[in-house]
Amino acid sequence: DIQMTQSPSSLSASVGDRVSITCRASQDISTYLAWYQQKPGKVPKLLIYAASTLQSGVPSRFSGSGSGTDFTLTISSLLPEDVATYYCQKYNRVPQTFGQGTKVEIK
Amino acid sequence: QVQLVESGGGVVQPGRSLRLSCAASGFTFSNYGMHWVRQAPGKGLEWVAVIWNDGSNKYYADSVKGRFTISRDNSKNTLYLEMNSLRAEDTAVYYCARTFYVWGTTDALEIWGQGTMVTVSS
Repeated sequence: DIQMTQSPSSLSASVGDRVSITCRASQDISTYLAWYQQKPGKVPKLLIYAASTLQSGVPSRFSGSGSGTDFTLTISSLLPEDVATYYCQKYNRVPQTFGQGTKVEIK
Repeated sequence: QVQLVESGGGVVQPGRSLRLSCAASGFTFSNYGMHWVRQAPGKGLEWVAVIWNDGSNKYYADSVKGRFTISRDNSKNTLYLEMNSLRAEDTAVYYCARTFYVWGTTDALEIWGQGTMVTVSS
């Protein structure tokens, strides 16, 4: 099975900072990658699908890039409401494995 | 509005069974693949199972294969997860989720339920 590895596991940044999270697949998954945001105590929310397509209603400060095995989620200017854990998930085929998550906090 | 509502969680002894339900509303349930995802306390998300829109195909994570069964009743707009031979490590919040695309199978998960907690403990 394909493994999904996110880095870092956690990060602390200041409001207004540019934040990047990487997700690496152990095999080529083309652009079959989604990013989710899970705020504390809340349900996961789809942010980005097809590696770079922003889900409707998601602020434009979020963006995704990559293809093949290396992917990046970027928050262009971090806001307090972005405090959450972010997960990547591959969906080219089953199992639809998630990355282990990246916890984003405000410094 | 588009909504998924899980039910059936609770406390169960190891080795026993439990059936979760997920009631769908606000969309044509029979047009979408459906997934179960779980999250152990303080841990990350773990994909559990998927069922095609017409129930023709079902796939499972290795950790639940042979113990869990995903099914659906399109006439009742309801998804199920039958969990047998439960273990302590199955303790988690269980979410049902809908695929993004119509006729989607393996797909991004656009709509999520609020989750139902399953605790396996003696």
